[in-house]
Amino acid sequence: KQEVTQIPAALSVPEGENLVLNCSFTDSAIYNLQWFRQDPGKGLTSLLLIQSSQREQTSGRLNASLDKSSGRSTLYIAASQPGDSATYLCAVRPRTGTASKLTFGTGTRLQVML
Amino acid sequence: DVKVTQSSRYLVKRTGEKVFLECVQDMDHENMFWYRQDPGLGLRLIYFSYDVKMKEKGDIPEGYSVSREKKERFSLILESASTNQTSMYLCASTPPSGGLNEQFFGPGTRLTVL
Repeated sequence: KQEVTQIPAALSVPEGENLVLNCSFTDSAIYNLQWFRQDPGKGLTSLLLIQSSQREQTSGRLNASLDKSSGRSTLYIAASQPGDSATYLCAVRPRTGTASKLTFGTGTRLQVML
Repeated sequence: DVKVTQSSRYLVKRTGEKVFLECVQDMDHENMFWYRQDPGLGLRLIYFSYDVKMKEKGDIPEGYSVSREKKERFSLILESASTNQTSMYLCASTPPSGGLNEQFFGPGTRLTVL
């Protein structure tokens, strides 16, 4: 059974710092990996999706990498801002099975301080 | 932009009531999902549907049922609400397998069962 772990569970950094969030998964037979952002009391917003054949994806100040063989992904946030404060979740979709079922990590709660 | 909407942001019900949570997506997606999110447990899949009138149990289907009579609408039903079903409920949709499979989420419904 696939297990997804995110460390640390919480992170507090000063504004302007570059930071890395980690996601690890136990079964490397994945179809893709998706990073989401969740603001308190809200739904999830998709940030980046990496297909299993890709090594990284970039969107603005965000860069996500994928090392499928070691079961790891990182989300790099450059020049962090207070508006980046949120919970970040990663989720993997298995290579087999129906209907794009995802397994989620429990998230990293990020606070960027002024 | 894909839009997934949920009928209520906040809902308060009494134990034993029948509760309907509605989800609508406007992108003609085949696959739709219902999750619940609880602190420390992350997102857990309740049910999903890969076509009209088709449904499959997720990881925690007990106490829930679903209905998908039209492609754009996926309903979650709590037959007899209980206090342990107090949670954040999130709906999501995605295109059929073979595509990018990015999963899009609604804003969530915070359900409290008294």
